[in-house]
Amino acid sequence: QSALTQPPSASGSPGQSVTISCTGTSSDVVGYNFVSWYQQHPGKAPKLMIYEVTKRPSGVPDRFSASKSGNTASLTVSGLQAEDEADYYCSSYADSNNVLFGGGTKLTVL
Amino acid sequence: QVQLQESGPGLVNPSETLSLTCTVSGYSLTSGSYWGWIRQPPGKGLEWIGIIYRSGSTYYNPSLKSRVTLSVDTSRNQFSLKVTSVTAADTAIYYCTRDRDTGNAYRPKGFDYWGQGTLVTVSS
Repeated sequence: QSALTQPPSASGSPGQSVTISCTGTSSDVVGYNFVSWYQQHPGKAPKLMIYEVTKRPSGVPDRFSASKSGNTASLTVSGLQAEDEADYYCSSYADSNNVLFGGGTKLTVL
Repeated sequence: QVQLQESGPGLVNPSETLSLTCTVSGYSLTSGSYWGWIRQPPGKGLEWIGIIYRSGSTYYNPSLKSRVTLSVDTSRNQFSLKVTSVTAADTAIYYCTRDRDTGNAYRPKGFDYWGQGTLVTVSS
């Protein structure tokens, strides 16, 4: 099973919105509602931002939202702030009790 | 406050076995949740290695399954990872994590707690 596909980079100015896509297949994103998103700052462990496609853990700002349509899951960051600059990874449950990650997207706040 | 801490050698010889332990504090492994390992080669993306339930049930990345073993020691509140026959491709930061899922059949609900990560280099 291949990794999920994410754009290598994304950018936006403070206050703007940016959306990061995560493309999978019928064996993962399409077939299951177990997509998660993680934020990782340099030198730090990843942080869970979204789980089960659209749910936000306690403490994650509501500026972060997510959705899924067909084979593509998306993370939207609204009202961009400087501290949102980080790498973002999507993850999905896949057939045969596997978990796949995307290659990661580097978000730059201009 | 749930905390996870990886421990183990930072340097492993090629063809040998990589062994890491994750010590959990603030939460009993017997209470539920799934406990797993994720790795990240320097400068690269995340790769799921596998996960274990309190019962000992395990699920592994199919690409690593033949070389990976996860185990849990509830008396010490620890879980462990072994990777055999390592090569330079196994050089990575290894993170231990907790998945929010508590069911008997693994359905990932997000890795909400992470260790700080430990760099393991495979080299002679």
